[in-house]
Amino acid sequence: GQNIDQPTEMTATEGAIVQINCTYQTSGFNGLFWYQQHAGEAPTFLSYNVLDGLEEKGRFSSFLSRSKGYSYLLLKELQMKDSASYLCAVLDSNYQLIWGAGTKLIIKP
Amino acid sequence: DAMVIQNPRYQVTQFGKPVTLSCSQTLNHNVMYWYQQKSSQAPKLLFHYYDKDFNNEADTPDNFQSRRPNTSFCFLDIRSPGLGDAAMYLCATSRDGVAGANVLTFGAGSRLTVL
Repeated sequence: GQNIDQPTEMTATEGAIVQINCTYQTSGFNGLFWYQQHAGEAPTFLSYNVLDGLEEKGRFSSFLSRSKGYSYLLLKELQMKDSASYLCAVLDSNYQLIWGAGTKLIIKP
Repeated sequence: DAMVIQNPRYQVTQFGKPVTLSCSQTLNHNVMYWYQQKSSQAPKLLFHYYDKDFNNEADTPDNFQSRRPNTSFCFLDIRSPGLGDAAMYLCATSRDGVAGANVLTFGAGSRLTVL
């Protein structure tokens, strides 16, 4: 079966750095997405990785290792507004999106 | 601004009373999706349209139907809602269905409550 694993919940302090991990086992791989979802709202696109390595976009970076079936989302200089769920999703060989259940990130002052 | 608009944002219905949720998009995207999302769970794909081609997920109950009368609009019909159908329903679009171009743009969602 296809599976995406992420921690259920993480807590971090305002101004700090946090890394949210995602491991996947899918039928093929055509890219990995990270989405941010605030409570009661729709997911919004953060990043897309299809090649190994680090993609940096402002305070957010996303890393991919295809050989390890592993990605992480790195959030720097955390702000209270970063409190949200972060969803990892993999595009499989049939171009179907396989979603993780999300990691709820709680930011404390 | 180009966007995906869902109506209504909140829908309360009685057990067994049909419900229709709507979605419109001004992005001119080819693909439209309906997802069901329950609290703290991953979004679950119900259907998607690639242009007019309808694709039903194998485990989507028959109670759920969809229509896409034109490029801009898509509807989700729940014929006889049960308590287990209470959820957030998310409409999303993508320009195409291939890697790299498959970034989803979501609407704000319709939250369904079944009494």
